[in-house]
Amino acid sequence: GENVEQHPSTLSVQEGDSAVIKCTYSDSASNYFPWYKQELGKRPQLIIDIRSNVGEKKDQRIAVTLNKTAKHFSLHITETQPEDSAVYFCAASLYNQGGKLIFGQGTELSVKP
Amino acid sequence: GAVVSQHPSRVICKSGTSVKIECRSLDFQATTMFWYRQFPKQSLMLMATSNEGSKATYEQGVEKDKFLINHASLTLSTLTVTSAHPEDSSFYICSARDSLGAGYTFGSGTRLTVV
Repeated sequence: GENVEQHPSTLSVQEGDSAVIKCTYSDSASNYFPWYKQELGKRPQLIIDIRSNVGEKKDQRIAVTLNKTAKHFSLHITETQPEDSAVYFCAASLYNQGGKLIFGQGTELSVKP
Repeated sequence: GAVVSQHPSRVICKSGTSVKIECRSLDFQATTMFWYRQFPKQSLMLMATSNEGSKATYEQGVEKDKFLINHASLTLSTLTVTSAHPEDSSFYICSARDSLGAGYTFGSGTRLTVV
């Protein structure tokens, strides 16, 4: 089955700097790669996602890149703000086949003012 | 947008008792429901996948007789933790997909504490 590895487990940046979180997946058939932000005790919130037919997607300060050949994808947050502090999870699934969503281990991002 | 209502949000139960967690899709038909468990400072670990009207498929290492999943209707899925023990204390969260496979809609989660 699918296995998703996520690094780093913790990341501390200064406000205004960029943050990058990386994930690798094992199943080459996976075709949907979302990123979630989770605050303590809350449900994961989808912040951006990418399908396997594109290599990059951007939404304001957030971007995701996908390298299908290498089976890895990354989250890039620019101009970080204290409110970006949270735990971020990557995930992978076989979207069109009702596939189960498998999560990475999570990254605790801390943005220091 | 799609909404999944999960109840209860918090529950405390005694060891040996059973607890039922409900997830209801409010404005769509949830043909598939995924159940996850999340321990503190850890990731969401998939426990099982259920399709409406079918038996759930459990992930390796998850006891199907302990974690009973019912998905008898297109708007309701339940997870029952039977004979709960303190090590079952965790955050349980459901995620639903409709027949069109449009995204994954998460419930708000249930914090279970077994004392």
